[in-house]
Amino acid sequence: TQLLEQSPQFLSIQEGENLTVYCNSSSVFSSLQWYRQEPGEGPVLLVTVVTGGEVKKLKRLTFQFGDARKDSSLHITAAQPGDTGLYLCAGARSNDYKLSFGAGTTVTVRA
Amino acid sequence: DAGVTQSPTHLIKTRGQQVTLRCSPKSGHDTVSWYQQALGQGPQFIFQYYEEEERQRGNFPDRFSGHQFPNYSSELNVNALLLGDSALYLCASSLQGGGINGYTFGSGTRLTVV
Repeated sequence: TQLLEQSPQFLSIQEGENLTVYCNSSSVFSSLQWYRQEPGEGPVLLVTVVTGGEVKKLKRLTFQFGDARKDSSLHITAAQPGDTGLYLCAGARSNDYKLSFGAGTTVTVRA
Repeated sequence: DAGVTQSPTHLIKTRGQQVTLRCSPKSGHDTVSWYQQALGQGPQFIFQYYEEEERQRGNFPDRFSGHQFPNYSSELNVNALLLGDSALYLCASSLQGGGINGYTFGSGTRLTVV
């Protein structure tokens, strides 16, 4: 059983559309991280959020950490084909060195 | 600035054999973690090495073992390979743990057990 549940599992949209990916858990995390992974590559860190209610923007990507630090969302505005990939959320807890990953959301942006 | 380097990139082994995977961390990082990623799944934590010792271990059998060298590089060994061990093995480096601040991942080693 995954500690972090991501939804949806798959998302296919047209270039220029917006999308949101969700990451939910019943556990509290000290920080939550979002990674993007392309085929044949390792995950690449996009952002780390550490404060409940925190919102971070990275160009067309907006990340939000829930007030209770149990959930997060990733919103992409005006998606481009280069945004295609597997988006993974991962949680870190105090006194725990590992990251707990969700199963990922596969995003496909069609030109 | 070299990132995390893993070798080999691909490997095919037979059931029952043993395999060793290698990882060189990003320059300046002293901690190495290993993850297993099955097809269509998120990475699962195997263990973390810091100061040449296994600091934390995930839910993996003793067939999975590792080592960290004085130069911070690391090896992952898997004995008595099973078909279910087929996966992408990812090495991630960080500074003094780094779970809170994120990891730098290598491109992984794709292991196929036949």
